Amino acid sequence: QVQLQESGPGLVKPSETLSLTCTVSGDSITHYYWSWIRQPPGKGLECIGYIFYSGSTTYNPSLKSRVTMSVDTSKNQFSLKLSSVTAADTAVYFCARGYSGRKSAGADIWGQGTMITVSS
Amino acid sequence: QSALTQPATVSGSPGQSITISCSGTSSDVGGYNYVSWYQQHPGKAPKLMIYDVSNRPSGVSNRFSGSKSGDTASLTISGLQAEDEADYYCSSYTSSTWVFGGGTKLTVL
Repeated sequence: QVQLQESGPGLVKPSETLSLTCTVSGDSITHYYWSWIRQPPGKGLECIGYIFYSGSTTYNPSLKSRVTMSVDTSKNQFSLKLSSVTAADTAVYFCARGYSGRKSAGADIWGQGTMITVSS
Repeated sequence: QSALTQPATVSGSPGQSITISCSGTSSDVGGYNYVSWYQQHPGKAPKLMIYDVSNRPSGVSNRFSGSKSGDTASLTISGLQAEDEADYYCSSYTSSTWVFGGGTKLTVL
């Protein structure tokens, strides 16, 4: 049974960099697309971007200048860095797996989500 | 990338059928047969209910069905049950990343 677990600090100061890691258990990280999706409190979902196990990335154009994703196949993990954060980046951050090895079929396995608050 | 348009709320009685619409453009819904639908209960992660417009992942009830016409996709839930009460989000693949709808709150009366 594949499981994803997000980890990172719950509180980040404005202008600093948010760093999150998603650990994949129960299957290899290879041959799949992996995504980061966020949800501000009481609001809808926003795709931040996705990364293929090979390291190829696609970012949301609205966040592209601040986003970096990476993958560590040896640790079965992938990571997100979001720079210059503001209060608008406060959200629950989910990591998720692209269904059936594709980036076009949505995400079938999700982490439980981690709440990130941007505040001084 | 603009969000897809969904009704904020829909409701129905147990046993009835409801349909949730998802309107986009030729750059997303209309341009690809890659619409997904998610169910999200409060405090939980979303669950994939439909992919590629009308396909159900293994384990998803056949009471859930999807379709598309032009720039608008639809999710139909038949035989409404109490446990179907949740938020539903549509999503479309695009040339950049997935774009989501604003979400629809389904109330089972």
